[in-house]
Amino acid sequence: NAGVTQTPKFQVLKTGQSMTLQCAQDMNHNSMYWYRQDPGMGLRLIYYSASEGTTDKGEVPNGYNVSRLNKREFSLRLESAAPSQTSVYFCASAREVSKNIQYFGAGTRLSVL
Amino acid sequence: QQQVKQSPQSLIVQKGGISIINCAYENTAFDYFPWYQQFPGKGPALLIAIRPDVSEKKEGRFTISFNKSAKQFSLHIMDSQPGDSATYFCAASGNYQLIWGAGTKLIIKP
Repeated sequence: NAGVTQTPKFQVLKTGQSMTLQCAQDMNHNSMYWYRQDPGMGLRLIYYSASEGTTDKGEVPNGYNVSRLNKREFSLRLESAAPSQTSVYFCASAREVSKNIQYFGAGTRLSVL
Repeated sequence: QQQVKQSPQSLIVQKGGISIINCAYENTAFDYFPWYQQFPGKGPALLIAIRPDVSEKKEGRFTISFNKSAKQFSLHIMDSQPGDSATYFCAASGNYQLIWGAGTKLIIKP
């Protein structure tokens, strides 16, 4: 089992460019999450999908969009990248929303110049 | 109401010592309190977790102590080893989300 797979692992963008971060899980989990991690700020939730067909905003959704393509896949799109979006992005999934034990991918390191 | 406050920000402990990281929360609706461990270049991984109706949970060298009345919980790492050097996050679960502490960078000196 691969768990949670994120692609790409690294990306450099110019300001204004767009890109989509991909995430797939093979654990048959219902819930999926996108976080960003910045030094000294811990993990901040961007968007989440409690179940297939639903998405909701988290703490820092501005500048991002998401798509829950199916139960396995949850993508994050930056329509017009800004330097403030330079960060490490993590995707996570959870089977039970009650316990919310989340399993994380290895992250995507994004630099916006 | 939704915050989880974690301290210290960084911690240096000698090998064999006890590492202690503390967290405090406000929202009494939180129903599950996990700790995650993150190594450089990796995603966070669940280390140990506790429900609020339990005062202590131990798994090997790792123990969570939970004080419901004070709305505080802590992670104790006994006999700390260099391999424990990592960033540790506490979190609280509620309403489909995990609310995260800011993290503690732990360094174990050999």
